[in-house]
Amino acid sequence: DIQMTQSPSSLSASVGDRVTITCRASQDISNSLAWFQQKPGKAPKSLIYAASSLQSGVPSEFSGSGSGTDFTLTISSLQPEDFATYYCQQYKSYPITFGQGTRLEIK
Amino acid sequence: EVQLVESGGGLVQPGGSLRLSCAASGFTFSDHYMDWVRQAPGKGPEWVGRIRKKANSYTTEYAASVKGRFTISRDDSKNSLYLQMNGLKTEDTAIYYCVRVGPTYGPDYWGQGTLVTVSS
Repeated sequence: DIQMTQSPSSLSASVGDRVTITCRASQDISNSLAWFQQKPGKAPKSLIYAASSLQSGVPSEFSGSGSGTDFTLTISSLQPEDFATYYCQQYKSYPITFGQGTRLEIK
Repeated sequence: EVQLVESGGGLVQPGGSLRLSCAASGFTFSDHYMDWVRQAPGKGPEWVGRIRKKANSYTTEYAASVKGRFTISRDDSKNSLYLQMNGLKTEDTAIYYCVRVGPTYGPDYWGQGTLVTVSS
């Protein structure tokens, strides 16, 4: 199975900050990577697919980059509604696997 | 608007069975692969399995933790996805999400989830 490792596990930041979350795959997954946002008690929401493509309706403050084994999710200017937990997911091969999550908290 | 609405969750005893349903609307259901993903309380998401579309013979993939116990099926005429769960274990307790797979094979839309609790 492909292991997905996110860092950091948690992060404190302020409104307006630029934030970067990293996801590393245990083997080459090309660009078969997605990012999700999840707020407490809510279903995950898809943000990014194919490593860098923005899902429809997702604000442009979100961006993704990377290929192979190393990927990043960047939020260019944190908004109050962005404080949530973020997960990466690889879908290059089965079983599909997720990172352990990054909890983004208000400083 | 894409909508995915799960139903069928509830409390079941260990060893029991349950069938979850997902009603899809707002898109051409038959054109998409579909996934089930679950999330145990306080944990991250776990992929359960996938069903491909008719052009790919409705073939399925499963996580090792559920293979042989869970079966994914679909009825394109009813725009519905199903998850038949047999031999349930306490560790199957989770919210189960129906997820649409996008054109690049990554997930794009999630349902609101249905809670399955396995307990005696």
